[in-house]
Amino acid sequence: DQQVKQNSPSLSVQEGRISILNCDYTNSMFDYFLWYKKYPAEGPTFLISISSIKDKNEDGRFTVFLNKSAKHLSLHIVPSQPGDSAVYFCAASVNFGNEKLTFGTGTRLTIIP
Amino acid sequence: DTGVSQDPRHKITKRGQNVTFRCDPISEHNRLYWYRQTLGQGPEFLTYFQNEAQLEKSRLLSDRFSAERPKGSFSTLEIQRTEQGDSAMYLCASSPWGQYFGPGTRLTVT
Repeated sequence: DQQVKQNSPSLSVQEGRISILNCDYTNSMFDYFLWYKKYPAEGPTFLISISSIKDKNEDGRFTVFLNKSAKHLSLHIVPSQPGDSAVYFCAASVNFGNEKLTFGTGTRLTIIP
Repeated sequence: DTGVSQDPRHKITKRGQNVTFRCDPISEHNRLYWYRQTLGQGPEFLTYFQNEAQLEKSRLLSDRFSAERPKGSFSTLEIQRTEQGDSAMYLCASSPWGQYFGPGTRLTVT
């Protein structure tokens, strides 16, 4: 039962353009969502989060959008840089992140110079 | 304090052996989580602690797995009688509200 889904295993984007990574969830109890970036042989690195009371959160080049009615969120990276090449995981939790995280399967983003 | 640390980073063991991993969380983080990640998957929750109390265990955590967090500081995860299916990256995270991950311990069972 995959409660958090990232349907695109990979994505290639030209440097300087916008990268859009998508995530869908099925559990309506989720109220906090996070994006992590992961390089090989390292643990996930927290990028940005959003609670269900908001529909947008922005931090520098990263913006997360949440559409609760569609149970969909997306991460926008603009402009994309070569260092953004990594695997991106969407995660969700109940109770404002104070509980276990449920992760998607990840999207490998490749930025083409 | 530089973040969550895990030891060892890599472990190769023969099937049937016992292994133990250690996690040192960020100082003053009272919540500590263990996850397991296999190839092509996202991390999967195993268990978590609030201070020294183990509050939840996943059904993924069979009887061969045990975790402790004595004194509410570092934590250990032990796997007894390892099986090839235990080969994975074991990740630790600590949190006051959101979760900061360590670099992981990659276990290979031969």
